[in-house]
Amino acid sequence: QKEVEQNSGPLSVPEGAIASLNCTYSDRGSQSFFWYRQYSGKSPELIMSIYSNGDKEDGRFTAQLNKASQYVSLLIRDSQPSDSATYLCAVRHWGGTSYGKLTFGQGTILTVHP
Amino acid sequence: NAGVTQTPKFQVLKTGQSMTLQCAQDMNHNSMYWYRQDPGMGLRLIYYSASEGTTDKGEVPNGYNVSRLNKREFSLRLESAAPSQTSVYFCASSRTSGNRETQYFGPGTRLLVL
Repeated sequence: QKEVEQNSGPLSVPEGAIASLNCTYSDRGSQSFFWYRQYSGKSPELIMSIYSNGDKEDGRFTAQLNKASQYVSLLIRDSQPSDSATYLCAVRHWGGTSYGKLTFGQGTILTVHP
Repeated sequence: NAGVTQTPKFQVLKTGQSMTLQCAQDMNHNSMYWYRQDPGMGLRLIYYSASEGTTDKGEVPNGYNVSRLNKREFSLRLESAAPSQTSVYFCASSRTSGNRETQYFGPGTRLLVL
C-alpha cells in the first residue's frame, strides 16, 4: 500500500464548477498536510497547508482534513482554465527517523474546460 | 531573492558518465532536499539534509551521493549514470517553525541518460 494515495485522474470539470481532489494516507502519525500545484514542465508550488482537523479556506481553495479517516481533500471553487495542472498531496510525519521527510502522492491531473 | 536555484536545467549523459547537480538557496533555510519525479510516480525523496553538515537517505538513494557544502548549497552526484536515472530532479529547501514546514522548490533539472 502506498503511503499517500491520490486518484491520478484526469479529473475534468467545466469552468465555474467545484473541483474536488482527494488524498488518503496510511501513517497515523502524520501531522502536516500540504497541497502543491504543478503546471506542466514547472516545479511544484505550495498552495495550501493544513495541520488540524476541519476546513481551512484561502480564497477559492478549501483544504479539509479528517485524521480519523486519514483523509485530506482540496476543493477549488469557481474553477478556471488556469487551474488546470497536476495537484500533489504531501504528508509529513514529525519526529523520529522520518524527521524532515515529506511523502508525496502521485498527483491528480485536473483539467478545467471552458 | 532568487529562492532556490538549480544548475544545469537540462543534461544528456551517456551510461557510465558522472555528473553533479548543483542547488543553492538564499532564504537561510536549514533543511534541503533532493527529489526525482517520474511519470505516474509523484516526487520521491533521494536524500535530505536537515542542517549544515548532516545528510540522510530518503526513499531512493541508490546510485546517488550528496554533499551539503554549506548552509546555502546542496549538491547531488551521479557517479555512474544509468538509463534508470533519466528523470526530472528537483531541489527544495524548507523553513521549519515548530510543527510547521514550508518547502520551496527549484525549477528542476531534466536529465536524460542514454
